[in-house]
Amino acid sequence: GAGVSQSPSNKVTEKGKDVELRCDPISGHTALYWYRQRLGQGLEFLIYFQGNSAPDKSGLPSDRFSAERTGESVSTLTIQRTQQEDSAVYLCASSSRGGYGYTFGSGTRLTVV
Amino acid sequence: GQQLNQSPQSMFIQEGEDVSMNCTSSSIFNTWLWYKQDPGEGPVLLIALYKAGELTSNGRLTAQFGITRKDSFLNISASIPSDVGIYFCAGQIPAGGSEKLVFGKGTKLTVNP
Repeated sequence: GAGVSQSPSNKVTEKGKDVELRCDPISGHTALYWYRQRLGQGLEFLIYFQGNSAPDKSGLPSDRFSAERTGESVSTLTIQRTQQEDSAVYLCASSSRGGYGYTFGSGTRLTVV
Repeated sequence: GQQLNQSPQSMFIQEGEDVSMNCTSSSIFNTWLWYKQDPGEGPVLLIALYKAGELTSNGRLTAQFGITRKDSFLNISASIPSDVGIYFCAGQIPAGGSEKLVFGKGTKLTVNP
């Protein structure tokens, strides 16, 4: 597609449930990133995928968070046993190898009740 | 880890006024980027800076990459109502890292017509 697509756009879940967030990067972009943005805050790095290299998971806040990417296409971010503090907008971005500045999707707004 | 200090946190200005915001860091970055985020959307890249001392313009926007590589500013001239939004600075860590960006906490701009 022309841009980075994220789904769902909004998700309300009960505390303790697992959620999966999906990101479709721009075709041909080898790098994919996940960021978290809490209300009124900046963007917090979570994880980075680049081609077939091992992902940089240094930003994942706990072992309840995991992410996968199939080749250079779709990525899913999974949050297990959600907590209220997980409520935030989860943004995905992609870029071409060596490119500067990502293209962001519109995000998934996650609300844990 | 790296942190960016972005100021001011918010600004309320009249249409037609000029605006200036800046970011500083204790760490060196090799690229500085400025993004704008509208409500419900992901951040959109405004300007990218690649060299220390570089001054770059994009329409009414001007940004500079500080000589020390630890700071950057963004100016908006002759503000208009559609300039409303949250502006984020971002620094990219030197080569050898995972190309992830570190974001400031944002400057929320309000323009009164």
